[in-house]
Amino acid sequence: AQSVTQPDIHITVSEGASLELRCNYSYGATPYLFWYVQSPGQGLQLLLKYFSGDTLVQGIKGFEAEFKRSQSSFNLRKPSVHWSDAAEYFCAVSDQAGTALIFGKGTTLSVSS
Amino acid sequence: EAGVTQSPTHLIKTRGQQATLRCSPISGHTSVYWYQQALGLGLQFLLWYDEGEERNRGNFPPRFSGRQFPNYSSELNVNALELEDSALYLCASSLKGSRSPLHFGNGTRLTVT
Repeated sequence: AQSVTQPDIHITVSEGASLELRCNYSYGATPYLFWYVQSPGQGLQLLLKYFSGDTLVQGIKGFEAEFKRSQSSFNLRKPSVHWSDAAEYFCAVSDQAGTALIFGKGTTLSVSS
Repeated sequence: EAGVTQSPTHLIKTRGQQATLRCSPISGHTSVYWYQQALGLGLQFLLWYDEGEERNRGNFPPRFSGRQFPNYSSELNVNALELEDSALYLCASSLKGSRSPLHFGNGTRLTVT
């Protein structure tokens, strides 16, 4: 069965510092990978997605993620964090067969000034 | 473009009662997904409907059920409510196909007392 692990429950980063949120997945075939962000009291917004091809994908709000098949990882990065990036971030996996999206438990990002 | 809309925003029920949650997808989207977001558990997949049919179901008891109407809107019914059903219920819609990203509503906060 597919699964997604986000090892960090909570991360605090200084404003202007770089960010990396970790995501590991367990899946036999080529996965479809997604990162979503949830601000307090809101639904989820898609940041970026990976299906195939170039393993470095760019998303909205200056985020990027790199697919590493050998490490079964899809880590999210941002070079310089802004206070407005404070939110909860979810990694998710699907597949070509169209199984429903499976989410990790999320990482809460706090930004300190 | 109107986003995914969910109603009601908040719902308070007593243990043993039934709850009905509603979702209107983005125009043109035929797939609707329901997720439960309980504290500390992340997003748990509940149900997936596409063109009126139930396509997949998560690991939830049968008292969680739903349906999709001809206009692709959907409702989630939870019977015999238990205290642990208290959660944010998120609805998402997408175009057909596993590469289509999910678009989320802001959720219905269900509180069972």
